[in-house]
Amino acid sequence: DIQMTQSPSSLSASVGDRVTITCQASQGVRNYLNWYQQKPGKAPKLLIYDASNLETGVPSRFSGSGSGTDFTFTISSLQPEDIATYYCQQYDILPFAFGPGTKVNIK
Amino acid sequence: QITLKESGPTLVKSTQTLTLTCTFSGFSLSTSGVGVGWIRQPPGKALEWLALIYWDDDKRYSPSLKSRLTITKDTSRNQVVLTMTNMDPVDTATYYCAHMGSYFDFWGQGTLVTVSS
Repeated sequence: DIQMTQSPSSLSASVGDRVTITCQASQGVRNYLNWYQQKPGKAPKLLIYDASNLETGVPSRFSGSGSGTDFTFTISSLQPEDIATYYCQQYDILPFAFGPGTKVNIK
Repeated sequence: QITLKESGPTLVKSTQTLTLTCTFSGFSLSTSGVGVGWIRQPPGKALEWLALIYWDDDKRYSPSLKSRLTITKDTSRNQVVLTMTNMDPVDTATYYCAHMGSYFDFWGQGTLVTVSS
């Protein structure tokens, strides 16, 4: 099975800061990598699909990059409403696997 | 628009079988390429993929839980059912169903299932 790791596990940043989260797969998943945002008590929301494609309606301050085993998720200017936990997920090879999550807080 | 909603018991006892139903609208599970999956999340923990059923009745399961899971669909009723046998307190979690075209793009609100010993 493919294992997904994320770093950091949590971070605190100021409003307007650039925030970067990394995700690593234990073996190559091509570009079949998604990023989800989950706010407390809510279902995950798809932000980025196929590593770098912005889901419809998602603000352009969110972006993703990478392929193979190493991926990056970026919030270009952190906003108060971005407080959430972010998960990466590979869907190249079953079983689909999620990363452990990165909790983003406002400093 | 696509919506999904999970339903089932909120409390089950150890060793019992859990049956959850995902009722959806806005798409058909007879459309080529479409699937519905189940994902769970223990309180304060990460997401875990459980099972997936495709439009052609192809079924896939998490290897670690495969012996305990069964996923079925009722296309005419727009429902997908997940059963999990031999429930244990560690199975306490919020259970989500999600639409899958190429990825999980629409999710239900989730249902919290607590397993008592």
